Amino acid sequence: DQQVKQNSPSLSVQEGRISILNCDYTNSMFDYFLWYKKYPAEGPTFLISISSIKDKNEDGRFTVFLNKSAKHLSLHIVPSQPGDSAVYFCAASPNDYKLSFGAGTTVTVRA
Amino acid sequence: DVKVTQSSRYLVKRTGEKVFLECVQDMDHENMFWYRQDPGLGLRLIYFSYDVKMKEKGDIPEGYSVSREKKERFSLILESASTNQTSMYLCASSSESYSNQPQHFGDGTRLSIL
Repeated sequence: DQQVKQNSPSLSVQEGRISILNCDYTNSMFDYFLWYKKYPAEGPTFLISISSIKDKNEDGRFTVFLNKSAKHLSLHIVPSQPGDSAVYFCAASPNDYKLSFGAGTTVTVRA
Repeated sequence: DVKVTQSSRYLVKRTGEKVFLECVQDMDHENMFWYRQDPGLGLRLIYFSYDVKMKEKGDIPEGYSVSREKKERFSLILESASTNQTSMYLCASSSESYSNQPQHFGDGTRLSIL
């Protein structure tokens, strides 16, 4: 049973607009959350993370929000650029080595 | 930059064959991981190693084994390949055991079992 769920398999957004990717988790022991980005024929690359002691972390155009009570996190990309077209994976960890990944959301940024 | 190199990008093998997937990292990382990626399932952990000759089972270890004889190299072995092991295999590494360090991934091996 998947403990990390990304319920939207795909997202299409116009260049310059905001992309919002959502992720839900079920394990209350998770306290560290990451987003990875994957281009075709390449491995996933780390994008941004957040610890459970925070509710927001920002890095340039990328912001991750965490709502622990709802067991929900989201990734905002503002403004979206064509190079952001990729698969985005949400991952979570109970403060150890083990990451649980979501199924991924494919983002397409339209020019 | 961390470099994780997987020996093959594409591999085609036959049912029943013994298959070796090799992974090398160049950052002296303690931890190394093997995942498989399948559509709709994301990445699932097969095995993990936190030191030379040390290994732990992940979520789906059945049908696989691993070997870590040197710190930089982590091998995944399919003892007797089956068609349900057709998948994308990803190797990753990270520094420090049991801490929140991002994992760095290789580009993957697309394995087809016929």
